[in-house]
Amino acid sequence: KQEVTQIPAALSVPEGENLVLNCSFTDSAIYNLQWFRQDPGKGLTSLLLIQSSQREQTSGRLNASLDKSSGRSTLYIAASQPGDSATYLCAGPDTGFQKLVFGTGTRLLVSP
Amino acid sequence: DAGVTQSPTHLIKTRGQQVTLRCSPKSGHDTVSWYQQALGQGPQFIFQYYEEEERQRGNFPDRFSGHQFPNYSSELNVNALLLGDSALYLCASSSSLRSYEQYFGPGTRLTVT
Repeated sequence: KQEVTQIPAALSVPEGENLVLNCSFTDSAIYNLQWFRQDPGKGLTSLLLIQSSQREQTSGRLNASLDKSSGRSTLYIAASQPGDSATYLCAGPDTGFQKLVFGTGTRLLVSP
Repeated sequence: DAGVTQSPTHLIKTRGQQVTLRCSPKSGHDTVSWYQQALGQGPQFIFQYYEEEERQRGNFPDRFSGHQFPNYSSELNVNALLLGDSALYLCASSSSLRSYEQYFGPGTRLTVT
């Protein structure tokens, strides 16, 4: 049974800083991992999907990595902006199932 | 191309009542999953529908039921509402060929008083 953990629960940084969000999972047989953004009271926006055959995926200022052997994924945000303020969630498929298992998220605040 | 849509946006119900939430999947998608997200938590899987049948179910009581229609849209029904059912209910659609790549709707905020 897949379990997903995210650290830290909250992060506050000044505008312009580079930052890393962490995601840990228990089942190393994971075949993909997805990062989402959620604005307060809103739905989830998919940011990046990393297949197990890949080690990284990039979209603009975002870079996500996946290390199955260590059970970790990171989301790197370069040159953070106030508009990046949101909750970031990672999710992976449950073992043998097609449902997604989510972490509890990292709440990011970028101050001007 | 319309993404995943959900209705209503917000809903307030009283304990013991019943509620129906609706979801229309992204064009080209045939699989719909429902998740419950309590405040400050990650979404929890309720169930998934494919070919009008419940394919998988999470750890939710039978008070939670669903339906998928021939046009792939879906409903989530919750009976005998409890205060603890207050949450954001998220619908996600996917293709059966890539069911792990799920696209989420804006959610329905349910408040039970």
